Amino acid sequence: GAVVSQHPSWVICKSGTSVKIECRSLDFQATTMFWYRQFPKQSLMLMATSNEGSKATYEQGVEKDKFLINHASLTLSTLTVTSAHPEDSSFYICSAATSGSTGELFFGEGSRLTVL
Amino acid sequence: AQSVTQLGSHVSVSEGALVLLRCNYSSSVPPYLFWYVQYPNQGLQLLLKYTSAATLVKGINGFEAEFKKSETSFHLTKPSAHMSDAAEYFCAVSEASGTYKYIFGTGTRLKVLA
Repeated sequence: GAVVSQHPSWVICKSGTSVKIECRSLDFQATTMFWYRQFPKQSLMLMATSNEGSKATYEQGVEKDKFLINHASLTLSTLTVTSAHPEDSSFYICSAATSGSTGELFFGEGSRLTVL
Repeated sequence: AQSVTQLGSHVSVSEGALVLLRCNYSSSVPPYLFWYVQYPNQGLQLLLKYTSAATLVKGINGFEAEFKKSETSFHLTKPSAHMSDAAEYFCAVSEASGTYKYIFGTGTRLKVLA
């Protein structure tokens, strides 16, 4: 089946620094990837839709200057949390779709960010 | 607009008992419906999906769900719970046009008692 991989799985950083999370589709090309944020014991909230070669579409309330998304190739999307603060600590999950997958998304393993 | 409601944020069952996790959806267009399972600190794994074919959908690990349009429901069931089923379960809806824009329910944490 389609595999989506995220890196790193865990990251701890100091407040004010920037952190980059990668999302790769390992065995398929993904024209569209999605980034979600999950707070403890809560559901997934869609942050943005990432389209290869174009600007990401952000959901209402998500700061696009804080959460930079780049989808430079058909197999890689990155999320950069800029000038991270403790309130940015969360579990970030990406997903991707294959063409003709009848609406099914494939999810990465998630990346837990802790900002000290 | 679409929405998903999962009744019961926590469900406890005894090992070997029936598992029933409830999901009701709202959609103005034909929906695709999904159930995902999430283990601690992991991503989501697809259990099963409804994409306008058979209304009774069988998934992995013995789970199944039935799409009931009249009740706008897509409840997840498993005849006999196993300890390894303890996890968080999410129901999700998207438009059948394949936009891939999922709306997730708030999740149900399943606890299996020995």
